[in-house]
Amino acid sequence: DQQVKQNSPSLSVQEGRISILNCDYTNSMFDYFLWYKKYPAEGPTFLISISSIKDKNEDGRFTVFLNKSAKHLSLHIVPSQPGDSAVYFCAASARFGNEKLTFGTGTRLTIIP
Amino acid sequence: DGGITQSPKYLFRKEGQNVTLSCEQNLNHDAMYWYRQDPGQGLRLIYYSQIVNDFQKGDIAEGYSVSREKKESFPLTVTSAQKNPTAFYLCASTPRGVNEKLFFGSGTQLSVL
Repeated sequence: DQQVKQNSPSLSVQEGRISILNCDYTNSMFDYFLWYKKYPAEGPTFLISISSIKDKNEDGRFTVFLNKSAKHLSLHIVPSQPGDSAVYFCAASARFGNEKLTFGTGTRLTIIP
Repeated sequence: DGGITQSPKYLFRKEGQNVTLSCEQNLNHDAMYWYRQDPGQGLRLIYYSQIVNDFQKGDIAEGYSVSREKKESFPLTVTSAQKNPTAFYLCASTPRGVNEKLFFGSGTQLSVL
């Protein structure tokens, strides 16, 4: 049972344009969401997070949007840069539940120069 | 320089052999985790430990064992009972009570000969 889904395995975006990565979840107990970025043969690094009390969180070029009614979140990267090429994982937890993170399957983002 | 060190970076296992993956952290984090990544899949939790001398099974613990004798160290043994051990293994840690923002090591790629 995949509780966190990233339905696009890959995405290609022109340098300078906006990259939009999507994530859907099924567990209504999830109240904290994170995005991690992963380069090949390296561990993931934390990118940005959002609590369910918010619908938007910004950090520089990265913005995460949360639509609780649709159980959907998205990561926007503007403008996209070649160094953004990586695999992006969406993750969720129920802070007042077991607190363990549940990860999506990842989306490979390729920025085309 | 604080961080998580995983070794070795590459490991090969023969049939019927047990192998141990090392994970050491100097971040003074209480909680440590082991995840497995397979191509096209998200990160799946194998074992985690919230405190020294205590650990819990994650979602895919069968065929694996761990120990937590020191706060800094959380080695993972892949036993011969694990029939499909080829994967990228990631160790992570968090400060106690902050279970969501994981700090990851650089991973170990395990392959079967």
